Amino acid sequence: DIQMTQSPSTLSASVGDRVTITCRASQSVGSWLAWYQQKPGKAPKLLIYKASSLESGVPSRFSGSGSGTEFTLTISSLQPDDFATYYCQQSNNFWTFGQGTKVEIK
Amino acid sequence: EVQLVESGGDLIQPGGSLRLSCAASGFTVSSSYMSWVRQAPGKGLEWVSAINSGGNTYYADSVQGRFTISRDNSKNTLSLQMNSLRAEDTAVYYCARFRGSSGISPFDSWGQGTLVTVSS
Repeated sequence: DIQMTQSPSTLSASVGDRVTITCRASQSVGSWLAWYQQKPGKAPKLLIYKASSLESGVPSRFSGSGSGTEFTLTISSLQPDDFATYYCQQSNNFWTFGQGTKVEIK
Repeated sequence: EVQLVESGGDLIQPGGSLRLSCAASGFTVSSSYMSWVRQAPGKGLEWVSAINSGGNTYYADSVQGRFTISRDNSKNTLSLQMNSLRAEDTAVYYCARFRGSSGISPFDSWGQGTLVTVSS
């Protein structure tokens, strides 16, 4: 099974900050990596797919990069609506999610 | 507009059975790759099961042999039959659709979730 490890688990940041979340896979997943945003009591929302492709309707301050085993999600200027939990997910070999990164208000 | 609506969640005793349903609109379930994903209270997301357009099914090790995914083409619904339920199956269960017809695609549509609580 492919394990996905996100860091950090919690991140405290202020509006306007540049935020980076890292996701590491236990073996190569190529570019088959997606990022989701989840707010309390809501379903996850797709942000990024195929490691770096921005989902339609998602603000351009979100970006993704990486391939193989190391990936990053960057929010260029954190907005109030961005305080949420973020998950990476691989789809190269079945499907596995990272444990999540909670972005909190500093 | 794509919409997924889950139902069937309940409080059930350990060892019991429950059937979840996911009513789809805006697309055809039988032509799609569909999945169930769960989230235990205060925890992260866990993939549970998937079914492709060809009817091939896949299960996480944690539910293999206890859960069965299926679809009803006439009703355009996805189902998850859950048997021999355990306390650790307690979670919100989401129905999700893969983009396109490939399992390498992301989950681009999700339902609102239905809560399953396994407790005596």
